[in-house]
Amino acid sequence: DIVMTQSPDSLAVSLGERATINCKSSQSVLYNSNNKNYLAWYQQKPGQPPRLLLYWASSRESGVPDRISGSGSGTDFTLTISSLQADDVAVYYCQQYYRTPLTFGGGTKVEIK
Amino acid sequence: EVQLVESGGGLVQPGRSLRLSCAASGFSFDDYAMHWVRQIPGKGLEWVSGVSWNNNSVAYADSVKGRFAISRDNAKSSLYLQMNNLRVEDTAFYYCAKGVTQYQLLYFDYWGQGSLVTVSS
Repeated sequence: DIVMTQSPDSLAVSLGERATINCKSSQSVLYNSNNKNYLAWYQQKPGQPPRLLLYWASSRESGVPDRISGSGSGTDFTLTISSLQADDVAVYYCQQYYRTPLTFGGGTKVEIK
Repeated sequence: EVQLVESGGGLVQPGRSLRLSCAASGFSFDDYAMHWVRQIPGKGLEWVSGVSWNNNSVAYADSVKGRFAISRDNAKSSLYLQMNNLRVEDTAFYYCAKGVTQYQLLYFDYWGQGSLVTVSS
C-alpha cells in the first residue's frame, strides 16, 4: 500500500499569513505515461463531510478560491493557503489515487493564531 | 445539484451484519464510479471500497476484504455496502462518495453527509 504522511499535524497561522501543509507518499504517484501526479487534497470542517479542493496535485476544483494552491511531484507535495482567512479553519487531507487501495494522509489541522 | 444520502447505519453487535445504502440524485449515476469512505469520529479518513459504473470492477481496503461487499443498482441510482462479521473497529461514519470517471477509481468530487455505524455489545 502507498503510505501518505502529512506534516505538520497542526499549525496556527495569523489571519492574512501563509499556511503550508506537506504531504509525502511512500512511492511516486507520478504516472509517467501522462505525466500526471495522482494526488488530491480535501478540506473538512467540523460536522461536515470532506470537500474536494485540488486534484492532479495542482488543479483547482470549481469554486475553490485561488488563494489555495497545490504543488509538487513524485513523492513530495504541498498545499498552500497564501493568505489565511477565517473560513480556512479546517482539517486538510491529501489522498493518492495512483493505485488501490486509495489512501489518505493523517490530516493537518489549521487554526488561527 | 448533486445529492448523496446515506441510510442504514445504527447500533449492531459484533459479528452481525448491516447494509448501508446511498441514494444519489442530480447527476447521471451510471456515468461514474462510486465509493465508500469511513471516518472514526475525531480521526482521519479511510477509503473502504469502490465500484466501477457497471459493477465489473471493485476494490476493497485490506481491513474489510472478505467481509464487506460493494454493489450498485443503476436503475435505482443507488449504492450499497453489505457489511458482514462486523468488528468493534468498524465503528465509524460511513460516507458515500462520487467518483470522477466510469471505470477508474480515482478521487471523490461529492460526498454524502455520512451514516454512523456503531459496533458494540
